[in-house]
Amino acid sequence: GEDVEQSLFLSVREGDSSVINCTYTDSSSTYLYWYKQEPGAGLQLLTYIFSNMDMKQDQRLTVLLNKKDKHLSLRIADTQTGDSAIYFCAERKTSYDKVIFGPGTSLSVIP
Amino acid sequence: GAVVSQHPSWVICKSGTSVKIECRSLDFQATTMFWYRQFPKQSLMLMATSNEGSKATYEQGVEKDKFLINHASLTLSTLTVTSAHPEDSSFYICSARRSGVQETQYFGPGTRLLVL
Repeated sequence: GEDVEQSLFLSVREGDSSVINCTYTDSSSTYLYWYKQEPGAGLQLLTYIFSNMDMKQDQRLTVLLNKKDKHLSLRIADTQTGDSAIYFCAERKTSYDKVIFGPGTSLSVIP
Repeated sequence: GAVVSQHPSWVICKSGTSVKIECRSLDFQATTMFWYRQFPKQSLMLMATSNEGSKATYEQGVEKDKFLINHASLTLSTLTVTSAHPEDSSFYICSARRSGVQETQYFGPGTRLLVL
């Protein structure tokens, strides 16, 4: 099917690391994305990874890609209360010119 | 940067009226723009892909006569919800792909539509 899957909720304490997991469907997808959405707002592109990469790091964000298992994760180091939001995983399928989004993971950061 | 704006940010209208939502890429040219719909606490559902100067491509189940899309320039796409009904109430988000750059889309802030 077309479903990108994510766990719906994650709760962490401030200062801890958060790991948000995602499984996608198309092993030939070229780009995989992480977006952040704060309440009532649009989506902010956090980072993306090309499918021939295993890892990408950008400041507090680390993306790991396991292409064999079609598994993508986003690690946020030193999680802050401002990181509380919904995080969407998305894949860009090569067969269609469109991006498929997962259901989103709601991250709650406990002070 | 790559900024996408939407106007209006929210709109309330009576059932049966039409509502136009604008999506603009402010500092780049966008050959392709996308329109999404998001229900509360749900993911984004792609409605249509809008290409400058040509007809939009609609996803299965999206009525093209109800959701009219026009992409008249490289910086502007519009979505018109015709004869709106309460079930059309939703959060509509557009995104734009920078011309010549295929890997990323930049999202607008969204338009919240409430049909009474």
